[in-house]
Amino acid sequence: DQQVKQNSPSLSVQEGRISILNCDYTNSMFDYFLWYKKYPAEGPTFLISISSIKDKNEDGRFTVFLNKSAKHLSLHIVPSQPGDSAVYFCAASASGSARQLTFGSGTQLTVLP
Amino acid sequence: DAGVIQSPRHEVTEMGQEVTLRCKPISGHNSLFWYRQTMMRGLELLIYFNNNVPIDDSGMPEDRFSAKMPNASFSTLKIQPSEPRDSAVYFCASSKVGYEQYFGPGTRLTVT
Repeated sequence: DQQVKQNSPSLSVQEGRISILNCDYTNSMFDYFLWYKKYPAEGPTFLISISSIKDKNEDGRFTVFLNKSAKHLSLHIVPSQPGDSAVYFCAASASGSARQLTFGSGTQLTVLP
Repeated sequence: DAGVIQSPRHEVTEMGQEVTLRCKPISGHNSLFWYRQTMMRGLELLIYFNNNVPIDDSGMPEDRFSAKMPNASFSTLKIQPSEPRDSAVYFCASSKVGYEQYFGPGTRLTVT
């Protein structure tokens, strides 16, 4: 049973526009959420995170929104740049689990010049 | 900082052979994680260590897989004997305080 789901395997966006990547989770114990970016032949790179006590966290062009009631989070990238083209993974962890991460299946973002 | 170091980057071996993957975590990090990425199952946690002690190995697929962390700066993941279905990219990650894990570049394993 997938506890973290990314239902869109791919997304294409024009350069300069907003990219919105979505993630849903089922485990109510999750209290910390992260986004990772992965380029081919490289390991995932930490991008941004959010605690369940917040509903928004912003870092430059990247903003993560958390809707606990809907068990949904999203990553907004504004403006999108061609260098943002990568696979984006959503991950979640629960208290007391020594911060084991459960990953979604990833979304391939392509930013078109 | 050097980041998480994994070796080898690529490994091709024949079915039945022993395979050893190596990882050097970031200095000062006290947690280490081994992941496997496949097309079918995505990125899945195999085992993790806190302060060199294995905490949860429930993700290890079967007894053919074993992992050790003899000291804070080195870990190995061993597969013996290897099978074609073990072909995947294996990632090592480490973390310090907080929750962000830093991943190595991965080892692409092909078992023929």
